[in-house]
Amino acid sequence: FMLTQPHSVSESPGKTVIISCTRSSGGIGSNFVQWYQQRPGRAPTPLIYEHVHRPSGVPDRFSASIDRSSGSASLTISGLQAEDEADYYCQSHDGSSWVFGGGTKLTVL
Amino acid sequence: QLLLQESGPGLVKPSETLSLTCFVSGGSINSPFDFWAWIRQSPGKGLEWITTVSYDGTTYFNPSLKSRVTISADTSNTHFSLELRSVTNADTSVYYCAKYRANIHLFDSWGQGIPVTVSS
Repeated sequence: FMLTQPHSVSESPGKTVIISCTRSSGGIGSNFVQWYQQRPGRAPTPLIYEHVHRPSGVPDRFSASIDRSSGSASLTISGLQAEDEADYYCQSHDGSSWVFGGGTKLTVL
Repeated sequence: QLLLQESGPGLVKPSETLSLTCFVSGGSINSPFDFWAWIRQSPGKGLEWITTVSYDGTTYFNPSLKSRVTISADTSNTHFSLELRSVTNADTSVYYCAKYRANIHLFDSWGQGIPVTVSS
């Protein structure tokens, strides 16, 4: 299966942005979706696990959900800050393969 | 705190074998909930999962790379390794090692990444 993300999104500081992740087959709820943030020149860092949960230390400005009817997962970032400018990746696992979405570049205007 | 550190050559010639090692400190690679993985990122591109080894030695491979990849874990010395054979320019990437925490389905620890260039 594949995970498709928008190539880029942009929004102003203080606003809210939503990044989608659409699964090509098998249903978005079939396997858990995770989200990662990657700042330029750095390794990815985890943001969300098992669709909606934040690891310790991740601000509650970051939230996520899934919509089984549309086959998509979404990452919501509220109260945008300049430091949120980064690439964001969704990821899932079907039991034998791990798949990443193509990544979404977030620009904070 | 768990730390992962990749080690290996920064330059490999086409058709040769790329060998990388990930040294794990601050913890053990024997935990039954932890899997160990290699992930790469070509210049300007997204993340690509390569391979994973579980605590019991079960291995998993990206189908597109399976024929050229070996992963192994040395539990006594707390490191795991990647071999990628017959490399081409397309294998030029930053290679990351990562820990997959299976009970929460998350790559929760990552190395800083090691850039590898394939060039003659």
